[in-house]
Amino acid sequence: GAVVSQHPSRVICKSGTSVKIECRSLDFQATTMFWYRQFPKQSLMLMATSNEGSKATYEQGVEKDKFLINHASLTLSTLTVTSAHPEDSSFYICSARGNLDSSPLHFGNGTRLTVT
Amino acid sequence: KNEVEQSPQNLTAQEGEFITINCSYSVGISALHWLQQHPGGGIVSLFMLSSGKKKHGRLIATINIQEKHSSLHITASHPRDSAVYICAPMRGRTSGSRLTFGEGTQLTVNP
Repeated sequence: GAVVSQHPSRVICKSGTSVKIECRSLDFQATTMFWYRQFPKQSLMLMATSNEGSKATYEQGVEKDKFLINHASLTLSTLTVTSAHPEDSSFYICSARGNLDSSPLHFGNGTRLTVT
Repeated sequence: KNEVEQSPQNLTAQEGEFITINCSYSVGISALHWLQQHPGGGIVSLFMLSSGKKKHGRLIATINIQEKHSSLHITASHPRDSAVYICAPMRGRTSGSRLTFGEGTQLTVNP
């Protein structure tokens, strides 16, 4: 079964509203989780690194006030897309690893966001 | 030039054929992942390797750190292998290690 659970899998929202996406590690603790965005026919793009108990690290060009990340526990990170616009429509996916060098990498199943 | 170059971008094969996907990268890495992404979007890490060769079932991954090159092989390919395969070099060793992604190889295996 999935070891990283991402919810919701699909969401449709209206322009101007906010959407929260959750990423949970189910059977391991993850001090760090990653959020990616993927546009159609393109590869994954790292948006930000979510750090438990501290501020997220955002990649260049990603607006931290628009994509709010909260990593309140060792098993949960949330990404909130604020004041969503149609151009925010995309596939958002998270990943996490355990804290050992040999820990495998797990991805959530992704969230398909459509902003109308 | 991209940090990660994958080839081919698209690959169509007949069931049973031997498949090779190549990946070259230009940065120093601690390890490299091969990922499989199915049409629904879900991603699975097939391998994480930092040297030599790993085998899992019909899948084989190799890496040459000196040459900054990795390959993914699929033996006796099957239609269920149809997916996008992504090479993702990793920098760092801890849980905070970052990945860089290739553009992906769309593999279609016809029955």
